Amino acid sequence: KNEVEQSPQNLTAQEGEFITINCSYSVGISALHWLQQHPGGGIVSLFMLSSGKKKHGRLIATINIQEKHSSLHITASHPRDSAVYICAVGGSQGNLIFGKGTKLSVKP
Amino acid sequence: DARVTQTPRHKVTEMGQEVTMRCQPILGHNTVFWYRQTMMQGLELLAYFRNRAPLDDSGMPKDRFSAEMPDATLATLKIQPSEPRDSAVYFCASGLVQKSGQNNTGELFFGEGSRLTVL
Repeated sequence: KNEVEQSPQNLTAQEGEFITINCSYSVGISALHWLQQHPGGGIVSLFMLSSGKKKHGRLIATINIQEKHSSLHITASHPRDSAVYICAVGGSQGNLIFGKGTKLSVKP
Repeated sequence: DARVTQTPRHKVTEMGQEVTMRCQPILGHNTVFWYRQTMMQGLELLAYFRNRAPLDDSGMPKDRFSAEMPDATLATLKIQPSEPRDSAVYFCASGLVQKSGQNNTGELFFGEGSRLTVL
């Protein structure tokens, strides 16, 4: 069993839809990261959180430490949100364990 | 605009050749990571450094891979000899991470990656 599990693996949505991507982990962590990787390959850090909720524009990330679960929400999705979203959990040293990613495609 | 810089962006080489990838971390960051991404395995940690000292390189095949940080502005990942199974995108990332025991994993900034193809 992978230490970081994401669901769904693939997600297709219509523009404007509310999107949720889930991440469950089985190890103790210092922080959880949500990353975005566009088709060009570059990786961008969206959020780093260790408790509660964070919001940035149309993106919201939540984490429940007791349940070892995090969600990434996208409100009013747009075709430019199409990317692979990767959940990663970090130990106290900063090293990350990655999920396999969720490929999101938003259709106009 | 501070960013992590990786070179080369693309490298095609023949099996058995030496490959060196370079990374310039963001100035002031104390931790540098090397990750590898393949279709089959996704992203995997190869090695990382704190204040230029290697902390963990257990993710690297020791017989052919080596990672160093000769100074604070340069991290290198070397493969010698290269094999077709080393074909992947290699990412460098840097961050400012607090001391062990403190509940803080610093935000990481990724380079654009070096795409390696070994024929």
